Amino acid sequence: GENVEQHPSTLSVQEGDSAVIKCTYSDSASNYFPWYKQELGKGPQLIIDIRSNVGEKKDQRIAVTLNKTAKHFSLHITETQPEDSAVYFCAARPNTNAGKSTFGDGTTLTVKP
Amino acid sequence: DTEVTQTPKHLVMGMTNKKSLKCEQHMGHRAMYWYKQKAKKPPELMFVYSYEKLSINESVPSRFSPECPNSSLLNLHLHALQPEDSALYLCASSQDGRSGINYGYTFGSGTRLTVV
Repeated sequence: GENVEQHPSTLSVQEGDSAVIKCTYSDSASNYFPWYKQELGKGPQLIIDIRSNVGEKKDQRIAVTLNKTAKHFSLHITETQPEDSAVYFCAARPNTNAGKSTFGDGTTLTVKP
Repeated sequence: DTEVTQTPKHLVMGMTNKKSLKCEQHMGHRAMYWYKQKAKKPPELMFVYSYEKLSINESVPSRFSPECPNSSLLNLHLHALQPEDSALYLCASSQDGRSGINYGYTFGSGTRLTVV
């Protein structure tokens, strides 16, 4: 089955700096890669996603890049703000086993004011 | 309406109790999910419903029994749980349809379950 590794497990940055979280996946059949943000006491929230036919996608301060050959994808947050502090999960979904995402272990991001 | 609503938000139950968790969405999503999340861990898939039929059961113990009464509702019936079942139970839905295109999940805020 799919295996997703996520690094780092914790990340602390100063407000205004950039943050990068990296994930690798093992199953070449995976073709959909969402990122979720989970704040304390809430469910995960989809913040950005990318499909395997695209190399990069941007939405305001967040961007995701995908390298299919190397089987890794990354989340980039620029101009970080304290409200970006949360746990971030990457995930990978193959085009089989519809509905079955494999999550990374999560990254706790702390943005210091 | 772009939300998944879960009730109750908190639940404390004894090991001999029977209780149910409820989930509702009105986004027209035809795929619905139950996830279990322990502290500082990623969500762990339990069940997937597609077009109101159970499509995936991740070898979940029979003390957890899912039900999908209609396309908007998902229930999780609990019976004879163990203390180690204490966790955050998340419901999610997605736009996945018969086209084979996968989509992201909309999660509810979860039910914090404590088994005593």
